[in-house]
Amino acid sequence: DIQMTQSPSSLSASVGDRVTITCRASQSISSYLNWYQQKPGKAPKLLIYAASSLQSGVPSRFSGSGSGTDFTLTISSLQPEDFATYYCQQSYSTPAFGPGTKVDIK
Amino acid sequence: QVQLQESGPGLVKPSETLSLTCTVSGGSISSYYWSWIRQPPGKGLEWIGYIYYSGSTNYNPSLKSRVTISVDTSKNQFSLKLSSVTAADTAVYYCARQTWVAVAGNIVGDHFDYWGQGTLVTVSS
Repeated sequence: DIQMTQSPSSLSASVGDRVTITCRASQSISSYLNWYQQKPGKAPKLLIYAASSLQSGVPSRFSGSGSGTDFTLTISSLQPEDFATYYCQQSYSTPAFGPGTKVDIK
Repeated sequence: QVQLQESGPGLVKPSETLSLTCTVSGGSISSYYWSWIRQPPGKGLEWIGYIYYSGSTNYNPSLKSRVTISVDTSKNQFSLKLSSVTAADTAVYYCARQTWVAVAGNIVGDHFDYWGQGTLVTVSS
């Protein structure tokens, strides 16, 4: 099984901050990596697929990068609606999600 | 706009079978893969399995012995059955559309682009 880890597990940030979340796979997954945003009581929402492709309708302040085992989700200027939990997910083999990174208000 | 809606009992007794249905509206269930994903309270996400509209399936090995996913294209629905449930199966269950991405004819991955709102299933006597 491919294991996914994320860092940090949580972070506090202010509106306007640049935020970076890292996801690591236990083996190479090429670019088979997706990012989701989940708010309390809601279903996850797809942000980025295939490591760096922005899902339709998602603001351009979200971006993804990486390949192989190391990936990054960046929010260029944090907005009030971005406070949420973010999950990475590999689709190289049996789909598996990372443990999540909670972004809250500083 | 594709919409998904889960339905089914919110309470299941231990050792019994959990049964949920996902109804797809705003689009056809054909030509896509459809997944079930769950999330225990306060925890992360776990993929359970998918079904193609033709009926082919793939399950998470950790749950394979207890999972059955089926599809009814005439109703635009697919369903989940999870047998021999325990308290560890208490979770919010989501249905989702699984879309594959191809570039120049090569598959470059898949992702879950439409989700239901989720339904909490509690396993308790």
